[in-house]
Amino acid sequence: SQELEQSPQSLIVQEGKNLTINCTSSKTLYGLYWYKQKYGEGLIFLMMLQKGGEEKSHEKITAKLDEKKQQSSLHITASQPSHAGIYLCGADMSYSNYQLIWGAGTKLIIKP
Amino acid sequence: SAVISQKPSRDICQRGTSLTIQCQVDSQVTMMFWYRQQPGQSLTLIATANQGSEATYESGFVIDKFPISRPNLTFSTLTVSNMSPEDSSIYLCSLTGGVKDTQYFGPGTRLTVL
Repeated sequence: SQELEQSPQSLIVQEGKNLTINCTSSKTLYGLYWYKQKYGEGLIFLMMLQKGGEEKSHEKITAKLDEKKQQSSLHITASQPSHAGIYLCGADMSYSNYQLIWGAGTKLIIKP
Repeated sequence: SAVISQKPSRDICQRGTSLTIQCQVDSQVTMMFWYRQQPGQSLTLIATANQGSEATYESGFVIDKFPISRPNLTFSTLTVSNMSPEDSSIYLCSLTGGVKDTQYFGPGTRLTVL
């Protein structure tokens, strides 16, 4: 099984509705990164979380890391067509090795 | 799913030297990407490598410092030229593919510049 489980795999949301994407690990995370990718383009960095209970927001996107530092959620409020794309979570699983582990990605489609 | 391998997995280099990182994919892909992740920082896109054309570099990255080759649809190289300690990082190649446009990453090359 994957060390970093991301859900759902795909999501179709009506424009204006809220949505949440989750990223769960069985191990303590030393850093959790959220990225977005549009078709045919590279990843765009969204947010990084490092502390238990940390929450960050940028425009209509909010990311949280739970107190145990094993689960993160990405929440989009009042979704827009510009939010469509693939969302990917990545994690530092090792304090000293900077080894990256990746979720499988969530494909988000916004229906007008 | 695509299988991506990178060589070397890690290296320690002297300042002023250059290192070429190889990325091999087990299937043909049009677009490959090169990223860098410096300690404690987010992944940063260096360039997009398309087969048969010049690589497209992101702001802050130039061809003289990070020349890229893409001789065919399964292979690419990234060279880190005239290295300094600030180049110490993990370098990753990736591609997008599959039905769901999944992003696949190589295992990374951990570079330390002394």
